[in-house]
Amino acid sequence: RKEVEQDPGPFNVPEGATVAFNCTYSNSASQSFFWYRQDCRKEPKLLMSVYSSGNEDGRFTAQLNRASQYISLLIRDSKLSDSATYLCVVNANYGGSQGNLIFGKGTKLSVKP
Amino acid sequence: EPEVTQTPSHQVTQMGQEVILRCVPISNHLYFYWYRQILGQKVEFLVSFYNNEISEKSEIFDDQFSVERPDGSNFTLKIRSTKLEDSAMYFCASRRTEMNTEAFFGQGTRLTVV
Repeated sequence: RKEVEQDPGPFNVPEGATVAFNCTYSNSASQSFFWYRQDCRKEPKLLMSVYSSGNEDGRFTAQLNRASQYISLLIRDSKLSDSATYLCVVNANYGGSQGNLIFGKGTKLSVKP
Repeated sequence: EPEVTQTPSHQVTQMGQEVILRCVPISNHLYFYWYRQILGQKVEFLVSFYNNEISEKSEIFDDQFSVERPDGSNFTLKIRSTKLEDSAMYFCASRRTEMNTEAFFGQGTRLTVV
């Protein structure tokens, strides 16, 4: 079973649409969760951390369901500048690991005018 | 805003040659990482480094790879004898603490082995 799985995408949406990304992780001991954004041929950049209570940052809302080992990201009122690949990332937290991050393959989003 | 810097941005090397990829992590960070991303694939963990020693490495990080922090500032990744399949984007990252904090990534070094 893959450690972090995401919707394969790509998602092609018009400006203003609401987009939802889903992710599942395999290790129930994982403690920290993130959504990163990666533009083409660039480095990953943190979009937001994901907390158990759910968290919101402007148009972005992240949710975590530990029982289902499921993470989501919702983007409301999408903009052209939201076009990127969205990476679900889980902090390895087992066997003495030192916090290395495990990445999903990412879901590409294209927002069209 | 502090940032992780990597050099060079692009390196082309012949198969069998040694390459050294360089990184300057953020100055008050304690944990350092190398990741790689083969074109079209996911970002993969290579190695983590803490307190001047390797703390964890993946299966990818075999005897051909090594890391060093020679002067308390730079953090380098050496590939001793490059193979075609080492062609990838290599990202350096640093974190202030081990968990629950943002990992900052450098802009990457694109390694092309010919």
